[in-house]
Amino acid sequence: QKEVEQNSGPLSVPEGAIASLNCTYSDRGSQSFFWYRQYSGKSPELIMSIYSNGDKEDGRFTAQLNKASQYVSLLIRDSQPSDSATYLCAVILSSNTGKLIFGQGTTLQVKP
Amino acid sequence: EPEVTQTPSHQVTQMGQEVILRCVPISNHLYFYWYRQILGQKVEFLVSFYNNEISEKSEIFDDQFSVERPDGSNFTLKIRSTKLEDSAMYFCASRGGLEQFFGPGTRLTVL
Repeated sequence: QKEVEQNSGPLSVPEGAIASLNCTYSDRGSQSFFWYRQYSGKSPELIMSIYSNGDKEDGRFTAQLNKASQYVSLLIRDSQPSDSATYLCAVILSSNTGKLIFGQGTTLQVKP
Repeated sequence: EPEVTQTPSHQVTQMGQEVILRCVPISNHLYFYWYRQILGQKVEFLVSFYNNEISEKSEIFDDQFSVERPDGSNFTLKIRSTKLEDSAMYFCASRGGLEQFFGPGTRLTVL
């Protein structure tokens, strides 16, 4: 069983729409969850972190966490062409070294 | 805004040669990491480093790999004898709290 799973996409949405990105994880003891954005050929850029069940909003981004379902999601409101990138879900498992386990990433395409 | 820096941005080497990838973590961070990403694949953890020692390493991080913090600012990854399959992007990351921040990466090409 993969530790962190994402649909690789591509997910295509029109400009101005809401993009919904999903991620599931296998380790029930996981406590810390992150969304990174990665443009082609570039490094991962942290956009959201979430540690408690519920929603966390930052500008156009909302992260949602449901530990019972082992599910974390990212909503991007008013999507812009510049949001077109690969979005990586990353999880710190139960270990205390802080290593991140990444999903494969979901490619988002925002069409003008 | 503080950021992680890495040099070189691109390294080309012959199979069997040694390479050293360099990173300068964010200055007040205490935890350091190396990850790699083979083209088209996911980002993979290599090693974590804290208090001047390795705290965890992955199966990928075999005897050909080593890390060092030679002074108060640099954090290096050495590959002793490169293989073709070592060709990848190598990312350094550091953290103070729980959030990790990544450097721009070094693209390693092994010929």
